[in-house]
Amino acid sequence: AQSVTQPDIHITVSEGASLELRCNYSYGATPYLFWYVQSPGQGLQLLLKYFSGDTLVQGIKGFEAEFKRSQSSFNLRKPSVHWSDAAEYFCAVGYSGGYQKVTFGIGTKLQVIP
Amino acid sequence: DGGITQSPKYLFRKEGQNVTLSCEQNLNHDAMYWYRQDPGQGLRLIYYSQIVNDFQKGDIAEGYSVSREKKESFPLTVTSAQKNPTAFYLCASSIPQGIGQPQHFGDGTRLSIL
Repeated sequence: AQSVTQPDIHITVSEGASLELRCNYSYGATPYLFWYVQSPGQGLQLLLKYFSGDTLVQGIKGFEAEFKRSQSSFNLRKPSVHWSDAAEYFCAVGYSGGYQKVTFGIGTKLQVIP
Repeated sequence: DGGITQSPKYLFRKEGQNVTLSCEQNLNHDAMYWYRQDPGQGLRLIYYSQIVNDFQKGDIAEGYSVSREKKESFPLTVTSAQKNPTAFYLCASSIPQGIGQPQHFGDGTRLSIL
């Protein structure tokens, strides 16, 4: 069965600093990978997705993620964090098997300090 | 603008009572999903539907029921058999069978026990 691990439950960074959120997945075939962001009391918004091709994908709000098959990772990065980036971030893995079942990680809560 | 509307935003349930959470989408998506979100547990799939008049149990379906009579609507009923219903409930939709199509989310309903 597929699974997703987000090892950092809570991360604090200073505004303007770089950010990397870790995500590791477990799945036998090539996965479909997603990063979502959730502000308090709201739904999830898609930041970016990887299906195939270029392993470095660009998303909205200045985020990017790199797919590394050898490490089973799909880490999310941003070169300079803004206070408005404070939110919870979810990594998800999916596959096209009957229906598009998606497994979500438990999330990483990002705090941005001035 | 197309999107997913969940109502109400806050809902309170009395002991022994069934309550229904509404989810409506105008994205013309065939597939719809219900997730439960608890702190530290990510998103867990309750039910999903790939097409009108068809739906399948997810990972935590006990104590919940759904219907899919219209493409646009996928209401979730939390029955009295669900002994721990306090959570944040998220509805999502997507194009089914598509290769790695992302899910689009509503803004959620927070259910609490009176």
